Amino acid sequence: KAGVTQTPRYLIKTRGQQVTLSCSPISGHRSVSWYQQTPGQGLQFLFEYFSETQRNKGNFPGRFSGRQFSNSRSEMNVSTLELGDSALYLCASRGVVETNEKLFFGSGTQLSVL
Amino acid sequence: DQQVKQNSPSLSVQEGRISILNCDYTNSMFDYFLWYKKYPAEGPTFLISISSIKDKNEDGRFTVFLNKSAKHLSLHIVPSQPGDSAVYFCAARSPSNFGNEKLTFGTGTRLTIIP
Repeated sequence: KAGVTQTPRYLIKTRGQQVTLSCSPISGHRSVSWYQQTPGQGLQFLFEYFSETQRNKGNFPGRFSGRQFSNSRSEMNVSTLELGDSALYLCASRGVVETNEKLFFGSGTQLSVL
Repeated sequence: DQQVKQNSPSLSVQEGRISILNCDYTNSMFDYFLWYKKYPAEGPTFLISISSIKDKNEDGRFTVFLNKSAKHLSLHIVPSQPGDSAVYFCAARSPSNFGNEKLTFGTGTRLTIIP
């Protein structure tokens, strides 16, 4: 079974631009979560999608948004980028029966905002 | 407000000795705890977990201990091996009746095993 795939692996943007990150979950997984990792802050929860619906959201500004498609693939968008948005963005999926929060993570997208 | 805290950003341990990684939490409603391991340029991978109704769970060289009264959990690795060098994150689950439980992660501890 293929793992969680995130594209692109690296991105460089400038302040004020917007960016879209993509995540393909493990086949059969319907839940996709997004996390932001920065030094000293650990992994901060952004949001979770299940069956194309956002069912949980973290404490991030509205510039951070996401969506999920019918094939469970998910995208995350950040508008009006700020320097502080530079981080590793991780996507994780889990199956319907994986109720023990065993998330499977992708390798992440490293975003640098200049 | 950091509800899950890993107060040691880094830890160095001699190969073959015991590594002990600590994690404290503030939310008494957390009902499930997990440890994840992360190598550079890779996503975190699940290591071991424990339910709040237990105080110990073992899996090979890895043991997690939970002290609910102190709101503290620890991960013991015995014996430590060079391949254990990584960043370790503890995570805690907030329960929900709707299947949308959220994980709250700590800030991570970088473990270095010295050969």
